[in-house]
Amino acid sequence: GAVVSQHPSWVICKSGTSVKIECRSLDFQATTMFWYRQFPKQSLMLMATSNEGSKATYEQGVEKDKFLINHASLTLSTLTVTSAHPEDSSFYICSASIAFGGNSYNEQFFGPGTRLTVL
Amino acid sequence: DAKTTQPTSMDCAEGRAANLPCNHSTISGNEYVYWYRQIHSQGPQYIIHGLKNNETNEMASLIITEDRKSSTLILPHATLRDTAVYYCTLIRGAQKLVFGQGTRLTINP
Repeated sequence: GAVVSQHPSWVICKSGTSVKIECRSLDFQATTMFWYRQFPKQSLMLMATSNEGSKATYEQGVEKDKFLINHASLTLSTLTVTSAHPEDSSFYICSASIAFGGNSYNEQFFGPGTRLTVL
Repeated sequence: DAKTTQPTSMDCAEGRAANLPCNHSTISGNEYVYWYRQIHSQGPQYIIHGLKNNETNEMASLIITEDRKSSTLILPHATLRDTAVYYCTLIRGAQKLVFGQGTRLTINP
């Protein structure tokens, strides 16, 4: 199956610093990439959808200036958490999507996640 | 908002079949039913998907009712490694994937 990687797998940073998380599709070109956030004992919450070469579409309540998404190529998307605070501590997961059957359905492949801890 | 409802938790004995139900009464004609699972502190893993017909792969079977308003994921011989949160979701075309709360399945020895 298709493989999606994330780097780093975990990161600890000081409050006020920025953290960049990379999401790569290793053996396929993704039409779309998605970023999710997951707090302990909760479900995944979609943060934003990004397509290569265009601006990301953010979900309601997600600050686009705080969570910067860059989708530079069909295999790489980055999420930068700017001026991180302890409440940003969470498990961040990306997924990459391939369209099948003339876009009749998309299959999403998920990365392993990045655990961010802000002190 | 998620368009599916699932029981919060279920238990199953190791070696037995685990049957996980999902209700999706407002499903649209061209929405696929997808199942993912998430083992603790990992990214979600694709299990199976279907549109109308029942499906089977090396991991599981998916039974979709004739009216498509509900489905059941079957793990035929559950092992301890199948302990995870199982998510049932609906996808149409390039539509974004929205996760509900899922079912926390615990396989007991």
